[in-house]
Amino acid sequence: DGGITQSPKYLFRKEGQNVTLSCEQNLNHDAMYWYRQDPGQGLRLIYYSQIVNDFQKGDIAEGYSVSREKKESFPLTVTSAQKNPTAFYLCASSIDKDRGLRGANVLTFGAGSRLTVL
Amino acid sequence: AQRVTQPEKLLSVFKGAPVELKCNYSYSGSPELFWYVQYSRQRLQLLLRHISRESIKGFTADLNKGETSFHLKKPFAQEEDSAMYYCALRDLTGGGNKLTFGTGTQLKVEL
Repeated sequence: DGGITQSPKYLFRKEGQNVTLSCEQNLNHDAMYWYRQDPGQGLRLIYYSQIVNDFQKGDIAEGYSVSREKKESFPLTVTSAQKNPTAFYLCASSIDKDRGLRGANVLTFGAGSRLTVL
Repeated sequence: AQRVTQPEKLLSVFKGAPVELKCNYSYSGSPELFWYVQYSRQRLQLLLRHISRESIKGFTADLNKGETSFHLKKPFAQEEDSAMYYCALRDLTGGGNKLTFGTGTQLKVEL
C-alpha cells in the first residue's frame, strides 16, 4: 500500500527538548515537504527537498532542521529554539516537475503529527 | 512576494445552494494554481488544478489572470461538501519548486 507515513501521531515534549518527527514515503517521489498547520493560518512551509542530500528553507524555517539522506525519508527536528512549537505538522511528497509525468507537482500528504509542548 | 488570499474563514450555505469559495493570488510569473480539500478525519488531498480544466465532484475553478483569481464554484452544494478548502499557488521563483497555501475556508453545508 503506497503512501506517506508520519510518526508519531501524537507527541508531547517538555520545553527545552528537541524532538524529531518521522516522514517516510514509498511512492518513489522526488520531492518532500514539511508544513505546519495552525488554526487561522493555513499551511506554512517549513522546509522542502527536491533531491537527496539537498533541501531548502521555507517561510518559517527558524527553529527547525531537516535531513534528506535517503529518497524515502525526510525527518524534521523541532529544536528548543522554536518559540512556539505546539502545532500540527504535515509531511508531503510529489513527483518532480522535470520528469514531465502526469501528476507532477501534485502533493500527496501524510496523516500528520500533532506536537504539544508542555 | 508570492501570496494566496482566501478572504473567508467560514462559509455556510444551505444544501442545494450555489457555492463560491474565493481565492486571489499575487505572483510575478505564470501562475499554476490548485485547490486542496480536507474532509473531517481525512488527509489533505488535491481537489483540482487549473491546468487540468476539469470538474471534480461538481466543482470547477477558472483562472482569471486579469483579476488574479481562482475561485472555486459549485452550482448545488451537497452535505458531503462540508470540509476545509485550501487554495494553493506553485512558486518557482529562485529556482525552487514549492506550494504556497492560503489560510483556508471552512465550508459548512446545512440541511
